[in-house]
Parts: sequence; C-alpha cells; structure tokens
Amino acid sequence: GAVVSQHPSRVICKSGTSVKIECRSLDFQATTMFWYRQFPKKSLMLMATSNEGSKATYEQGVEKDKFLINHASLTLSTLTVTSAHPEDSSFYICSALLVGEETQYFGPGTRLLVL
Amino acid sequence: GEDVEQSLFLSVREGDSSVINCTYTDSSSTYLYWYKQEPGAGLQLLTYIFSNMDMKQDQRLTVLLNKKDKHLSLRIADTQTGDSAIYFCAESEGSASKIIFGSGTRLSIRP
Repeated sequence: GAVVSQHPSRVICKSGTSVKIECRSLDFQATTMFWYRQFPKKSLMLMATSNEGSKATYEQGVEKDKFLINHASLTLSTLTVTSAHPEDSSFYICSALLVGEETQYFGPGTRLLVL
Repeated sequence: GEDVEQSLFLSVREGDSSVINCTYTDSSSTYLYWYKQEPGAGLQLLTYIFSNMDMKQDQRLTVLLNKKDKHLSLRIADTQTGDSAIYFCAESEGSASKIIFGSGTRLSIRP
C-alpha cells in the first residue's frame, strides 16, 4: 500500500532556530503533497499545497516566508519553520496524493515543541 | 464558506454500535471521508464515499450520505476497545483538492 513517512517524528528546539520537516512518499511518486497543522484537540488546517517543481500554494493567513516549502522531487517535500517561536509548537502532518487512486495518504505527523 | 461540523464526544458500550454524525456546507463536495486518529498518531483513512452515492459498507463500517441535507454518518458495528480514537469527517471537491476537516469526534468505549 501507499506509505508516507515524516522525519523527524518529534523535535524540540529553541526559540529563534529553524526546523526542517521531511515528508516522503515511500512507494509511489507524488506530484502533489499537502501540509497540515493540528493544534491540540483541534482539527487539521491546511497550510499549503506543495507541487513538485513549482512554488507552493499557501492558504490564507499562512506566512510563506515563515513556513518554507520545497518539493524538489517526486517523493520528497520539506517544510521549514523559520525562526520558530513557541506559538509555532504544533503537530504538523503531510499528505501525498496518489494519482489514479484519487486519495491522499497521510504521514504519521511531526510534533514540534519550541521552547 | 466551507465548513464541516461534528459533535465532539461520543461514548458507547463495548459491543454496541457507534454512530458518528457530520454535516457539511460545501455543495461542491465530491468526496466525503472518514479518518481515524489514535493518540499521538497520524491519520488513517477509514473509508470515503462519492457524493453520488448514498451508502457504502465495508465490514463493520457503514457510511450513509444524505446529500440533500448535507449529512454524513459513520456507523461502527460491534464497537471494540480498539475503536477508541478521534474520528474526523472531511470533504473535498476533488482528489487533488484540499481536504476540509471537521473538529473530530472522540469516541470512548465503556465496558
């Protein structure tokens, strides 16, 4: 089946540092990946749509300079949280679109804690 | 705008059926999903239904769709302790479109 991995699974960093989160489709190619954010006991909110070889499309209210997305290959998208602050602490989940099966497969998520 | 709503909590006795309800507002919704999230984990797609269907059954899971009322439900037969999780209702206009999630229903099982 289609498997999506994320790395790291959890990360703790100091305020002001940058953190990179990787999302990989392990056994399929994904031209489109999505990045979601989930606050404690809340639903997932789409942050941006990542398209291989082109710029990401950000949702309203999401700062593109703060949340840098790079989709350099058909199996890897990265989300970099720049100059992280405590309010960026959250659960970040990516998904990858399996073309032909018409469904998104979700990664296990990355828990970010900014101190 | 797009909105998906569901109740926050549901408690059922082990062995009974669980019914989780959801309403949505987007009339352009094509795909309607149910995802399961266990504590500290990512999302697991349980099932999805196309908007031109009114029912889909998969083993213990039954999805009912009332498109006129924009109401979706998930029935879990013979609920087990392993079914304890948060269940998210979600919709999208297409497979490559963003998915709009509800707030999630926390299902707890009592003996």
